[in-house]
Amino acid sequence: AAGVIQSPRHLIKEKRETATLKCYPIPRHDTVYWYQQGPGQDPQFLISFYEKMQSDKGSIPDRFSAQQFSDYHSELNMSSLELGDSALYFCASSRRATTNEKLFFGSGTQLSVL
Amino acid sequence: KQEVTQIPAALSVPEGENLVLNCSFTDSAIYNLQWFRQDPGKGLTSLLLIQSSQREQTSGRLNASLDKSSGRSTLYIAASQPGDSATYLCAVRGRDDKIIFGKGTRLHILP
Repeated sequence: AAGVIQSPRHLIKEKRETATLKCYPIPRHDTVYWYQQGPGQDPQFLISFYEKMQSDKGSIPDRFSAQQFSDYHSELNMSSLELGDSALYFCASSRRATTNEKLFFGSGTQLSVL
Repeated sequence: KQEVTQIPAALSVPEGENLVLNCSFTDSAIYNLQWFRQDPGKGLTSLLLIQSSQREQTSGRLNASLDKSSGRSTLYIAASQPGDSATYLCAVRGRDDKIIFGKGTRLHILP
């Protein structure tokens, strides 16, 4: 079965550079979530989209932006990168909340800012 | 605001023992609760999902229970194996569609 696909798997950037992370949700999933997980931390919610519209916003810095495209894939754009942005970035997809809809995660993008 | 707490933060048990991981949440207005497993540097793998109307779910050696009124869930692992060593996270999906994670329990099964 198709899973959530994230690219790239690893990304190394320098301070003040920009990065773009991509997420391809499971087919027919209409909701995408982005999470940031620092070393030894639990996943922190950044932003979510439902039917290509932003549905919720968490602790996403103003330097970051995201969007969901017509084919439902999503991109997280990160500018003016800082050392503290080094983390594992997960994308998850689901269908709109009902009681039995699971959240499926991609393998993540490991971002290292040097 | 929903808060999710997992106790203990870390646990080491000898191989073969049964164990229980705990997850508590403050707002009982939830759609479901999902347990995940995460290996170091890897993604989150879904283990079990319990709907708000359900009391428990089972998959192999895993059994998850939910007591929504008291805001508690447990993940029971039977006959633990070294391959079970990982971090286990619970996530609560509220009726506002927000998904809140606990900080996880790092489990180490001693061979």
